[in-house]
Amino acid sequence: GAGVSQSPSNKVTEKGKDVELRCDPISGHTALYWYRQSLGQGLEFLIYFQGNSAPDKSGLPSDRFSAERTGGSVSTLTIQRTQQEDSAVYLCASSLGTAGIHEQYFGPGTRLTVT
Amino acid sequence: DQQVKQNSPSLSVQEGRISILNCDYTNSMFDYFLWYKKYPAEGPTFLISISSIKDKNEDGRFTVFLNKSAKHLSLHIVPSQPGDSAVYFCAASVGGTNAGKSTFGDGTTLTVKP
Repeated sequence: GAGVSQSPSNKVTEKGKDVELRCDPISGHTALYWYRQSLGQGLEFLIYFQGNSAPDKSGLPSDRFSAERTGGSVSTLTIQRTQQEDSAVYLCASSLGTAGIHEQYFGPGTRLTVT
Repeated sequence: DQQVKQNSPSLSVQEGRISILNCDYTNSMFDYFLWYKKYPAEGPTFLISISSIKDKNEDGRFTVFLNKSAKHLSLHIVPSQPGDSAVYFCAASVGGTNAGKSTFGDGTTLTVKP
């Protein structure tokens, strides 16, 4: 069956431009998570969705970052006015629910490079 | 304040020997713990988990041990194989419904030498 997919796989953008990263979760998974991993670092939580609502946005680094989820499925992470420190791999994951017992299934990530 | 810590950034072991990866946590509310494995250019994949009501969970070559009093868990891989070479992340969660995110450590890079 299909896993979590993310697009694009790679994105190079100029500083100051806006970017949109897309995540298609596993069908039927109600929970969706966004993380980022900077070079040599661990997974940094950004935001999670339960259905279309985002109970926890505490990890978003600044107001340049936003995310939405529609139809309980696809999610888009938008970074406005990108900065060089935004360069990282952005990972999306989905799970059957948000209870901690539910393992997360990760996509392959989007590698963002801001020049 | 990092709530989940993997203090060893890297570990190297010989094929056939045991690999022991360690993880410490500070938040006593965590009651469910998961290990993920990550290969380069791929997303992490779930490996094994343990609930706080247990102190050991075993799945084939992989065993996770939990010491709640010490707020410490470890992942044992025996025998280690070259294909086990990857980055291993420890994650901790609050296990109730609608509990939200897992908190991840920074990972330990395991290298298994043939």
